[in-house]
Amino acid sequence: GESVGLHLPTLSVQEGDNSIINCAYSNSASDYFIWYKQESGKGPQFIIDIRSNMDKRQGQRVTVLLNKTVKHLSLQIAATQPGDSAVYFCAENTGGFKTIFGAGTRLFVKA
Amino acid sequence: DTAVSQTPKYLVTQMGNDKSIKCEQNLGHDTMYWYKQDSKKFLKIMFSYNNKELIINETVPNRFSPKSPDKAHLNLHINSLELGDSAVYFCASSQGPGPQSGEQFFGPGTRLTVL
Repeated sequence: GESVGLHLPTLSVQEGDNSIINCAYSNSASDYFIWYKQESGKGPQFIIDIRSNMDKRQGQRVTVLLNKTVKHLSLQIAATQPGDSAVYFCAENTGGFKTIFGAGTRLFVKA
Repeated sequence: DTAVSQTPKYLVTQMGNDKSIKCEQNLGHDTMYWYKQDSKKFLKIMFSYNNKELIINETVPNRFSPKSPDKAHLNLHINSLELGDSAVYFCASSQGPGPQSGEQFFGPGTRLTVL
């Protein structure tokens, strides 16, 4: 399940299940969205991106969905593996120089 | 070969000291960034340089001064360190500003602890 509190929101899933990580973005002018994965002790790593003229994009085991009407972005991970355990960030860009990162969600995969 | 490297990886220092963190990228990118990540994992941009020119300067205390001697390097100097400066600092690079800036390559981070 998903929990929000004083700490980083955490999503706990069983190995092999699908994971859905959600993100609400703030700027309706944003036209480029990115998901990053940050493993413990490492820097964020690019996973997948999507432009505002699309509502879905698929990668290897990952799918990003974009709903501009409600300013919502989601990352779906199929057949979640222990190696997927990390903090996931959504980020938005308005086409300018600055990319704004969301607060992050910790994904915990139970073996 | 490491794409974006930072030194040092860990930095422990006393309040009031001055310290520097170095960053180098070998990707041939034009744009480099410094981010600060706090204990809640919130990632906030501090500075961005494009071809050695400052293009983003967020509301960062002027004790923080970035320097870009060439487009492959972006160093961060911090004067008069304070307890609140304790965080992990990430350097990143991208091909360019604009939509290309979305895909950024991050260094391993420098954990700064101010005592």
